[in-house]
Amino acid sequence: DAKTTQPPSMDCAEGRAANLPCNHSTISGNEYVYWYRQIHSQGPQYIIHGLKNNETNEMASLIITEDRKSSTLILPHATLRDTAVYYCIVRVATSGSRLTFGEGTQLTVNP
Amino acid sequence: GAVVSQHPSRVICKSGTSVKIECRSLDFQATTMFWYRQFPKQSLMLMATSNEGSKATYEQGVEKDKFLINHASLTLSTLTVTSAHPEDSSFYICSASGGASSTGELFFGEGSRLTVL
Repeated sequence: DAKTTQPPSMDCAEGRAANLPCNHSTISGNEYVYWYRQIHSQGPQYIIHGLKNNETNEMASLIITEDRKSSTLILPHATLRDTAVYYCIVRVATSGSRLTFGEGTQLTVNP
Repeated sequence: GAVVSQHPSRVICKSGTSVKIECRSLDFQATTMFWYRQFPKQSLMLMATSNEGSKATYEQGVEKDKFLINHASLTLSTLTVTSAHPEDSSFYICSASGGASSTGELFFGEGSRLTVL
């Protein structure tokens, strides 16, 4: 799996957009970008994933650069409950493909 | 998303005893399940990959005789920590994939916190 680089921590004001960056310069053509988050003492929660097109769902938007070497997860209106560690992971999209976690970004949403 | 459930959520045991943790996929058949371990203030570390009906594949440094994994059905995998010691105290998390509409995303259980006294 390609290695990813994320800032260790970020802060965001409640109600504002949170933009979490991720670098994955060695991503392969068949690898997707996945985002998960982990709220303290819980299992990770799937957020979104994409290959090369931008994606949006009810939780977030994923913007992938044209060269696919970086991406940004956008939480459009952050709430206090979005405080969590956010993990950006690249892997092939098959059910048996492992998910390897890096250190992630600790996002703190402040009131 | 698909639901993965773990049981128990918390367990305390004495040193030298064995503890079994169950991981169930509630609304899909999981052809592959993964077991992770997470120590305080650290990221998740993959321990092993299990496919239904076959032996688990363990990551380097994980003792297969200590962490017994059974994936006997498409909806259940178990992790047994044998002869537990205090250093085995950790947060154990399972994940599963393989639903009919799966596009590769893994779904995680709530985690099981093991404390060995």
